[in-house]
Parts: sequence; C-alpha cells; structure tokens
Amino acid sequence: QVQLVQSGGEVKRPGSSVKVSCKTSGGTFSTYAINWVRQAPGQGLEWMGGIIPILGTINYAQKFQVRVTITADEPTNTAYMELSGLRSDDTAVYYCAGDLVDMTAGFDPWGQGTLVTVSS
Amino acid sequence: SYDLTQPFSASVALGQTASITCGGNNIERKNVHWYQQKADQAPVLVIYRDTFRPSGIPERFSGSNSGNTATLIISRAQAGDEADYYCQVWDSSTGVFGGGTRLTVL
Repeated sequence: QVQLVQSGGEVKRPGSSVKVSCKTSGGTFSTYAINWVRQAPGQGLEWMGGIIPILGTINYAQKFQVRVTITADEPTNTAYMELSGLRSDDTAVYYCAGDLVDMTAGFDPWGQGTLVTVSS
Repeated sequence: SYDLTQPFSASVALGQTASITCGGNNIERKNVHWYQQKADQAPVLVIYRDTFRPSGIPERFSGSNSGNTATLIISRAQAGDEADYYCQVWDSSTGVFGGGTRLTVL
C-alpha cells in the first residue's frame, strides 16, 4: 500500500518562499504522478500542478505558473513543491496526492497535508 | 478554462439516497472522480472514472456521467457520510475541481 508522507507545518513571512516535501513509501515512485492540491481555510480544493517523474513531465495551473516549482528526486522517492512570493492568502493546507501516470485513476493516496501559515 | 459546477449544499434523511451533481460542458467525455472530505481530514477518493469504486469504499457509493452532468449517488445514507464532496476532472493536462458540496445527513 503506497503512502505519502509530507513535511511538517511552516510559518512564513510575506514575500518569502516555502518548500514542502512528499515522500512515497510502500510503492514504486516512478509509476506515479504526484500532484499538489491546496485548501485555504474554509475553502475548496485547488489543483496547483503535478509531476510525472518517469516521463519528466511537469504541469502547472496557470494561476500558479509564475510562483510554483515542482520537482522530484527519484533516489529518495520524494517530490517537492516550492511556492515563492508568499502572501497572506497563500495560508492553506497543502496536500500531495498520487495518480497513475495516465491520470485516469483519480488522486489516491493523499498525503496528510502540510499547513503553511503566512503571517508578518 | 474548464469549469465544474456543484451545488453548495445538499441534505439527505438517514437511510435515504443522496445525489450530488457536478456540471460541466460535455462532461460525459471526461473521466470524473469524486472525493469525500470529512472535517480536518485529507480527501478520500470514493469514485474514479465515473463509476468505479476503490477498494474499501462501500457499495452504497456509485456514480454516473451523462451529457453535461456527472452524479455521485449515496444509497442508504449514514451519519458517517456527512462530509464535503468534490468532483474532479482533467482538462488539457490541468486538474480541475468542482467547488464542493456539503452533505448533511438529517
């Protein structure tokens, strides 16, 4: 059973950057696409982007294209999402979620979520 | 960009059937996935590719997709089904979520 384990919560200043990690265990990292989804307090789910390590493919939501960088380190089975130029409205829980490489099976599993708080 | 429309809220009596819709232009041409999210928990996939249930999801959960509307159906609703439900599709390699529907079990 594949599990995704994320890094811990962060408190950041406006204008800074945050890098969240997502480590895969119990499965083959290269067979998955890793997506990043965020959820602001009291709001819905928002897809930010995703990476398919075996293909080297990375896609970003247009809204985040300028500020987000998604990478993967296959030797450590870990994906990363870095968001720059943080603002108060970036305060949210950030999730990683796995999907098959052909993106037909839905997001399963999900990481436990990482709360990023942006505050001066 | 592709938009998915869900009702903000829905309610169902205990033991009855709930239907949650997800509207999108020609959505029947897309694979629709559904997620259940309970308070302070990560989402859980309950239906994928319109009608398929992941392992461990009760048979009470089913889905359909036709025309411009996909539907999540929850039969014999239980108190534990009270949650937010989101539909999701892919559009040109971009993930798209519906706004979510809060289901209340009365």
